[in-house]
Order: sequence, then structure tokens, then C-alpha cells
Amino acid sequence: ETGVTQTPRHLVMGMTNKKSLKCEQHLGHNAMYWYKQSAKKPLELMFVYNFKEQTENNSVPSRFSPECPNSSHLFLHLHTLQPEDSALYLCASSPNLPGQGANTIYFGEGSWLTVV
Amino acid sequence: EDQVTQSPEALRLQEGESSSLNCSYTVSGLRGLFWYRQDPGKGPEFLFTLYSAGEEKEKERLKATLTKKESFLHITAPKPEDSATYLCAVRGNEKLTFGTGTRLTIIP
Repeated sequence: ETGVTQTPRHLVMGMTNKKSLKCEQHLGHNAMYWYKQSAKKPLELMFVYNFKEQTENNSVPSRFSPECPNSSHLFLHLHTLQPEDSALYLCASSPNLPGQGANTIYFGEGSWLTVV
Repeated sequence: EDQVTQSPEALRLQEGESSSLNCSYTVSGLRGLFWYRQDPGKGPEFLFTLYSAGEEKEKERLKATLTKKESFLHITAPKPEDSATYLCAVRGNEKLTFGTGTRLTIIP
């Protein structure tokens, strides 16, 4: 139990589907993140939220749409994805944003996404 | 640009055979170096944070050390349950940069 819960753990979707990934953190943190992990590549930061406001978007295609209704919940809405988007999507949280003190990032278990 | 290079890419050890994993980095303004353990199909699990050269931290069979250019994760008398991918990340002035990891396999 890491304090960051992601659902679903596994998702298979067609290229025309719309689905959402959900993340909830029980750590009282202020910052939340979406990362993408593909084989043989370093973790790729997608989005950063601080106090439910988006502070970073790393040139992520618009077919990925994040939503942060409050500091504890984060969603990633998926629409018309491509097969190359198949990957492990990791949600994470930290006490504060980078540069604001000690900021260890804690990860959820991830959501395995397969686009067919 | 901040960079993190981990070596070796993969390491197989016999149970009880001690070794070290390397994380070399270049960063502008180190604000922390992090080690994570990742089991297959799961998210990274936080192990250690190191902030300054000379710092060391230990947890069970693992010890992390830090110099101005690299960090080592020493594993002493490993057991099969230590098999995992170990990720290193550095935080510079603004962002966190990850390496590609070392896949460690401990053979009984």
C-alpha cells in the first residue's frame, strides 16, 4: 500500500474508444503527476498539478486530457489513442512541487494500457 | 540538460553474492538523488533520497552512497526477493530526471 491508488490496473481499448484512468492519493500531498513508462525508456513526465491547478504539460498530445478536481484526485481521460500509446501509466504525488523543499515522489501501482 | 545513466543495464547474481549498481548523473543544482525499486507490472517503490556528496543511507541489505558525479546502490548478500529493477532519479533546479534502470536478478 503506497498511499496512491490507481484504477483500473489493466485496460484494453480500441482506437475509437473513450476511457479514463483514475488516481487517488491518501497522503495529504499537494502535487500530483502523470507519468508514462514504456519499455527500455526512462519515465516520461506528462502532467503536473499543484493544488488542483495544472503547472506543467510536457507537450502531451491532446488525445490525453487530464483533470484534477481536488488535491486528492487525478484523472487521465483517453480518446482516440494510437497503438504506440500502449504503456504503463503511473500516477504519483509529492508533498510540494519541485523546488519547494524535500519532495520525494510516491507512485501508484500503475495502469497498464493496451490500445488495439 | 540533466542526464542520468545507470549501469549495468542488467545484472545476474547468485544468492549471497554482493555487488553494486551505478547511477552517473549530470545536473544543474542537485536538489536530491532518489532510488526506487520497481517489481514487474508495478509502480516504483521509494527507497532512498540523498542530498549531498558523502551522504549514505541503509535499508536492510541495501546501502546508497553519493558523490558529486555518481551514486552507488550496494546490495549485500542479496536474496531472490531482491530481484527487481532499480531506478535512479535526480532532481535539478526544476525537474526530476530518471534513468532507464538496472534489472537485477538474484539466482537461488
